[in-house]
Amino acid sequence: DTEVTQTPKHLVMGMTNKKSLKCEQHMGHRAMYWYKQKAKKPPELMFVYSYEKLSINESVPSRFSPECPNSSLLNLHLHALQPEDSALYLCASSQAGGGGNEKLFFGSGTQLSVL
Amino acid sequence: EDKVVQSPLSLVVHEGDTVTLNCSYEVTNFRSLLWYKQEKKAPTFLFMLTSSGIEKKSGRLSSILDKKELFSILNITATQTGDSAIYLCAAAKTSYDKVIFGPGTSLSVIP
Repeated sequence: DTEVTQTPKHLVMGMTNKKSLKCEQHMGHRAMYWYKQKAKKPPELMFVYSYEKLSINESVPSRFSPECPNSSLLNLHLHALQPEDSALYLCASSQAGGGGNEKLFFGSGTQLSVL
Repeated sequence: EDKVVQSPLSLVVHEGDTVTLNCSYEVTNFRSLLWYKQEKKAPTFLFMLTSSGIEKKSGRLSSILDKKELFSILNITATQTGDSAIYLCAAAKTSYDKVIFGPGTSLSVIP
């Protein structure tokens, strides 16, 4: 199984809503990532979890809250988002630890619209 | 600050043409250079390059890395309409699990 599964595929939310994005992989990967991608732009790194610990937070606003309940799951909790947060949110995983393990496997993303 | 630059940003070719996409990087603690193809949503992996001068090939696609001059190229021969996509170059760092993407090259192959 070389798949990273993200749910939901599409999400529309108001600025006062609370919602969560979910990501799952069963490849035994120990690094998991959240990227944000605006239209016609490259993916921008948000968070990295390595061995279930948050290792990188790219100065992301606190209205985005990541969670890694176990090595296969990654969540992104959303609260009080702004319209400019509308984007494609991509989850990825890799084997972790560098040294040739940096090949990322991406999910299909959640297309988020904030009204 | 770490930086990955790609050129051209956009390219339109006819089927059967050969294209060369460029990627240069300035990244501390550089480990490897990765190429991805993004058609609709999920970027799909093409190549990972860690050593200079060794060409990697997959069908009509090939790529090579020059660690002295800090660049990589992706070649696509005999292009097909199915090659139309955004091609992303990314640099991975050794010290931790961080992969930095370039802006991408949008390739359109017209019949």
